[in-house]
Amino acid sequence: AQSVTQLGSHVSVSEGALVLLRCNYSSSVPPYLFWYVQYPNQGLQLLLKYTSAATLVKGINGFEAEFKKSETSFHLTKPSAHMSDAAEYFCAVSDSSASKIIFGSGTRLSIRP
Amino acid sequence: DTEVTQTPKHLVMGMTNKKSLKCEQHMGHRAMYWYKQKAKKPPELMFVYSYEKLSINESVPSRFSPECPNSSLLNLHLHALQPEDSALYLCASSQGPLRTGEGDEQFFGPGTRLTVL
Repeated sequence: AQSVTQLGSHVSVSEGALVLLRCNYSSSVPPYLFWYVQYPNQGLQLLLKYTSAATLVKGINGFEAEFKKSETSFHLTKPSAHMSDAAEYFCAVSDSSASKIIFGSGTRLSIRP
Repeated sequence: DTEVTQTPKHLVMGMTNKKSLKCEQHMGHRAMYWYKQKAKKPPELMFVYSYEKLSINESVPSRFSPECPNSSLLNLHLHALQPEDSALYLCASSQGPLRTGEGDEQFFGPGTRLTVL
């Protein structure tokens, strides 16, 4: 069975600081991995996805994530946080045979002025 | 058009009412999904339609009844709901079935905020 674990339900950083949101996955087959963002009272928006083409994946809004098989990790980073990055972030996993994706528990990102 | 639309945005209903949620996409996607999301929680999958046929029902109570009239539309019929069913209901679509090596990201609508009194 596949699963993802997001470390830290709440992360707070200062504006301009590095953002690091952690995600570890469990999968018996090569996974597809996703990061989604959800702003208050909105649906989910795809930030980026990993499909084995490249281990470093660049997404929207300056975010990127690196797939590390040896660490079973897919952490999300952004060099410099903006106030507009404050939101809930979900890591998710699926495999090529599944018709559904499994979400992590989410990490709320707060940005301090 | 890369948008999934949902109506209504907000819905308040009593426990004896019958109402429907609607979802529409025009991206040519062949898979559509209903999720339920409680506050501060991840979305929980309820139903999956693939090529207009119900392929996954995550043991959802029968007071929730999905319908897929065509490949662009997805409805969720609600009847005799309980207060604990109050939540954000999200619709999503994807190209599905998965194409090897490409992943099958889901595109989400803005959701319907449901309150059951």
